Amino acid sequence: GEDVEQSLFLSVREGDSSVINCTYTDSSSTYLYWYKQEPGAGLQLLTYIFSNMDMKQDQRLTVLLNKKDKHLSLRIADTQTGDSAIYFCAESAEYSTLTFGKGTMLLVSP
Amino acid sequence: DTAVSQTPKYLVTQMGNDKSIKCEQNLGHDTMYWYKQDSKKFLKIMFSYNNKELIINETVPNRFSPKSPDKAHLNLHINSLELGDSAVYFCASSQTGPTEAFFGQGTRLTVV
Repeated sequence: GEDVEQSLFLSVREGDSSVINCTYTDSSSTYLYWYKQEPGAGLQLLTYIFSNMDMKQDQRLTVLLNKKDKHLSLRIADTQTGDSAIYFCAESAEYSTLTFGKGTMLLVSP
Repeated sequence: DTAVSQTPKYLVTQMGNDKSIKCEQNLGHDTMYWYKQDSKKFLKIMFSYNNKELIINETVPNRFSPKSPDKAHLNLHINSLELGDSAVYFCASSQTGPTEAFFGQGTRLTVV
């Protein structure tokens, strides 16, 4: 079945870059997503990438996709304390629902 | 304007009760979903529904049933609530296909 794996925890200092990694198994994945969940809040879509792309940049966020290795990463430049949250990687095939990873808790210290 | 809204935000109820969680989207999307997030933050799809098809995750007990009065609403009805049903339930919507899904804020259900 489909599986999405991510490390559970990442701690960085304010101003550093954060890199959150994700691997997936479904070779038919068409879209790959990053969602952010702040404490007590719903899921917020940060960005997504089509499987035929290698990279997508959006302000402080950079998504890298290695389709051969089924590896997705999210880089947050100049990480701020407000970036502390849980980040979920997700994938979906064509006309399918999302499969989520277990989430990576990012803790940003001053 | 809130894109996907769920009510209530918090729900505390006793075992054995029947309860409903409502979801509405004003995005004109044709597919809606319910996800369950357990205490360890794991997210799993429960249902996806458009006006043509209901897809049920086989692990979902039949005490859970989605009800859609119209395209903009997908309510979740739960019969005979159990302690293990305690979780956060997220509603989401999207256009048909794997475009981005927009999520509601979640409903924290606590069964006592």
